[in-house]
Amino acid sequence: SSELTQDPTVSVALGQKVTITCQGDSLRIYYASWYQQKPRQAPLLVFYGQNNRPSGIPDRFSGSSSGNTASLTITGAQAEDEADYYCNSRDSNGFHTFWVFGGGTRLTVL
Amino acid sequence: QEQLVESGGGVVQPGRSLRLSCAASGFTLSASGMHWVRQPPGRGLEWLTFISPDGTHKYYADSVQGRCTISRDESSNTLFLEMNSLNIEDTAVYYCAKDWAPVDAFDIWGQGTLVTVSS
Repeated sequence: SSELTQDPTVSVALGQKVTITCQGDSLRIYYASWYQQKPRQAPLLVFYGQNNRPSGIPDRFSGSSSGNTASLTITGAQAEDEADYYCNSRDSNGFHTFWVFGGGTRLTVL
Repeated sequence: QEQLVESGGGVVQPGRSLRLSCAASGFTLSASGMHWVRQPPGRGLEWLTFISPDGTHKYYADSVQGRCTISRDESSNTLFLEMNSLNIEDTAVYYCAKDWAPVDAFDIWGQGTLVTVSS
């Protein structure tokens, strides 16, 4: 089965830039989507596709993709950005379509 | 306003079955693909299953294939997840999520319902 790999923890100083990465073979074909999850809340879509933010998501969130790696960047991290972040992509083995989440990255804002 | 509300969680004995519901409002299930995703306590998200807008395509994760059935009722605009032969590893918060085609993203999530498998 497909896998997406994320660093378990990342930290950033308040106001600085941080990049969270996601690696997997499916990303060579499909774009990643990114989800922010705060404690005791449902996940929230924060970035998707080649370069798209849902309405209401601050423009300090951006994304990119190259080869088998997708990245979510927060430029000017705020205290409220402290959360778990998950990447997700579709995948297919030719017979069966499925989706997979990365293991998640816990972002700490110092 | 698009919204999803899950229900049906609770404590279930090992080996038993459960049926979760996800009531949709603000949009029509038959016009959208839908997913179920779960999250064990303190752990990450796990995709479980998808149903296509026309209901003809259903996909399942290997971990639940054969134990899990996704379905929907158009008259009540409600999505369902049925799981049987539950074990302790099925303990999790279960979320339904709307598929945002064709961008392949999960744009609307419910608040989740907790299922605890315990004797």
